[in-house]
Amino acid sequence: GIQVEQSPPDLILQEGANSTLRCNFSDSVNNLQWFHQNPWGQLINLFYIPSGTKQNGRLSATTVATERYSLLYISSSQTTDSGVYFCAATRDNYGQNFVFGPGTRLSVLP
Amino acid sequence: GAGVSQSPRYKVTKRGQDVTLRCDPISSHATLYWYQQALGQGPEFLTYFNYEAQPDKSGLPSDRFSAERPEGSISTLTIQRTEQRDSAMYRCASSLAGGQRPTGELFFGEGSRLTVL
Repeated sequence: GIQVEQSPPDLILQEGANSTLRCNFSDSVNNLQWFHQNPWGQLINLFYIPSGTKQNGRLSATTVATERYSLLYISSSQTTDSGVYFCAATRDNYGQNFVFGPGTRLSVLP
Repeated sequence: GAGVSQSPRYKVTKRGQDVTLRCDPISSHATLYWYQQALGQGPEFLTYFNYEAQPDKSGLPSDRFSAERPEGSISTLTIQRTEQRDSAMYRCASSLAGGQRPTGELFFGEGSRLTVL
């Protein structure tokens, strides 16, 4: 199966700073998602982004499938952005196993 | 329902007991997944269902783990003779994908945290 890597593993920011989180995958993928696990353990959908670029408020994501990476941008970070960010990918087309990366733990300080 | 619902949210059990976790997916979703997440790690795939069929259970760690979705909606995950290493968050997700519809976005429930003493 595919391997999913994320960097950096940990990130500490001052409130208001911008950041870029990276997800690399070992093979071509047909589906990719970014999630935020908040401090209460909820997994919240951020983007479903097999390719291209999407934006939602202060967050945006880009997936370049041919180069096997995806980026999550957080601008003007807030303390509520703290938590763990996961990317998950699958190369299968029909309802199969999404493989999760190890996550990036983000702490935003006031 | 409007979202994926899991129960119980928390379960504490003694080693050797059996545990059953329940997942009620989003009502229009054909595909249902179970993931296991150990503390400090990312979720790991256990199994998935396409309606009531279970095409892939390769992630189940041992034969003590089993899952069912008999009517293609609600699913249960059962762990027999629990061991301390089974302590984890168990997450259920559902997706609109199913049949010939391609894989779609996963939506997760809030999880069931299992502690085996």
